[in-house]
Amino acid sequence: DQQVKQNSPSLSVQEGRISILNCDYTNSMFDYFLWYKKYPAEGPTFLISISSIKDKNEDGRFTVFLNKSAKHLSLHIVPSQPGDSAVYFCAASARGGSEKLVFGKGTKLTVNP
Amino acid sequence: EADIYQTPRYLVIGTGKKITLECSQTMGHDKMYWYQQDPGMELHLIHYSYGVNSTEKGDLSSESTVSRIRTEHFPLTLESARPSHTSQYLCASSESGRGMRETQYFGPGTRLLVL
Repeated sequence: DQQVKQNSPSLSVQEGRISILNCDYTNSMFDYFLWYKKYPAEGPTFLISISSIKDKNEDGRFTVFLNKSAKHLSLHIVPSQPGDSAVYFCAASARGGSEKLVFGKGTKLTVNP
Repeated sequence: EADIYQTPRYLVIGTGKKITLECSQTMGHDKMYWYQQDPGMELHLIHYSYGVNSTEKGDLSSESTVSRIRTEHFPLTLESARPSHTSQYLCASSESGRGMRETQYFGPGTRLLVL
């Protein structure tokens, strides 16, 4: 049973527009969320994170929004650039215990010039 | 940010061979992890370590083994490779404590093909 779900396997947007990647989770104990970006044949690169005590975190072109009541988070990229084309993974962890990360299956973003 | 190195980057090997995938980090992180990832799928944790001489199996059953004799080094070994072991193997490390939630930093991965 997947605890972190990224229901869109792929997303295509035009350069300069906004990209919105979505992630849903089922485990109410999750209280820390991260987004990673992965190019083919490379390891994931950390992008941005958010704690459950916040509902928004911003870093440059990247903003993550958290809706705890809906168990939903989203990553906004504005403006999108061709170099943003990659697979984006959502991950979550719960405080206490091992704090291991649980990953979604990823969304492949393609930004067209 | 951690500097994590994995070798080899690519490995093609025959069935039955013994292989060791190397992972080293230079930041002194106490926690290290091995993940397995297939295309279009999530990363699955197969092993982790919270320090020297500490190793645990992850959520995905794996026939591989790991060791943690030094803080910076966390190799993964397959005694007898099989085609079902074909996958990408990702090593990560993180720093715990200081009241902050941990962020895992990944190496470039090893793409393994067993014929």
